[in-house]
Amino acid sequence: KQEVTQIPAALSVPEGENLVLNCSFTDSAIYNLQWFRQDPGKGLTSLLLIQSSQREQTSGRLNASLDKSSGRSTLYIAASQPGDSATYLCAVSIVYNQGGKLIFGQGTELSVKP
Amino acid sequence: GAVVSQHPSRVICKSGTSVKIECRSLDFQATTMFWYRQFPKQSLMLMATSNEGSKATYEQGVEKDKFLINHASLTLSTLTVTSAHPEDSSFYICSARRWTGRDTEAFFGQGTRLTVV
Repeated sequence: KQEVTQIPAALSVPEGENLVLNCSFTDSAIYNLQWFRQDPGKGLTSLLLIQSSQREQTSGRLNASLDKSSGRSTLYIAASQPGDSATYLCAVSIVYNQGGKLIFGQGTELSVKP
Repeated sequence: GAVVSQHPSRVICKSGTSVKIECRSLDFQATTMFWYRQFPKQSLMLMATSNEGSKATYEQGVEKDKFLINHASLTLSTLTVTSAHPEDSSFYICSARRWTGRDTEAFFGQGTRLTVV
């Protein structure tokens, strides 16, 4: 059974700092991995999607890496800003022919202090 | 702009009544949609997979008679919470996957905060 773990559960940093959020999964048979952002009381916003054959994806100040063999992904946020404060969730898609289900980690609650 | 739209965003209902939540894919067809539930400070738990034109597939432990799912068209899935009780109060979010040309990416609705009083 696929399990996804995110570390740390919460993180508070001063503005401008670079930071890394970690995600690990137990079964390397994934279709792809997505990082999402969730603001309080809101839905999820897709940040980055990494296909299982890829090693990393970049979008602006965000860079996500994937090491499928070791079951790890990291989300790197450069030059953090107070507007980055939110909960970050990683999710893996299990093998596609099972309907593309997403298995989520517990999330990392990020607070960026001005 | 929004890719998946969910309505309503908030609903308060009396115990024993039923509530319907709609999930629409706005600019693509979705033969499959997903319904999740989220408790405060917790992650998303998949409740069921909604299949257009056929019965939904429910995750273990989810009561299909309480959480009725209908996927009558390629752009609309509905979740009806029947005979709601206070313990059904939660945040419900739907999702659909869209083909990007190289992969399928999951998009989520805005979520519905259900409060049963």
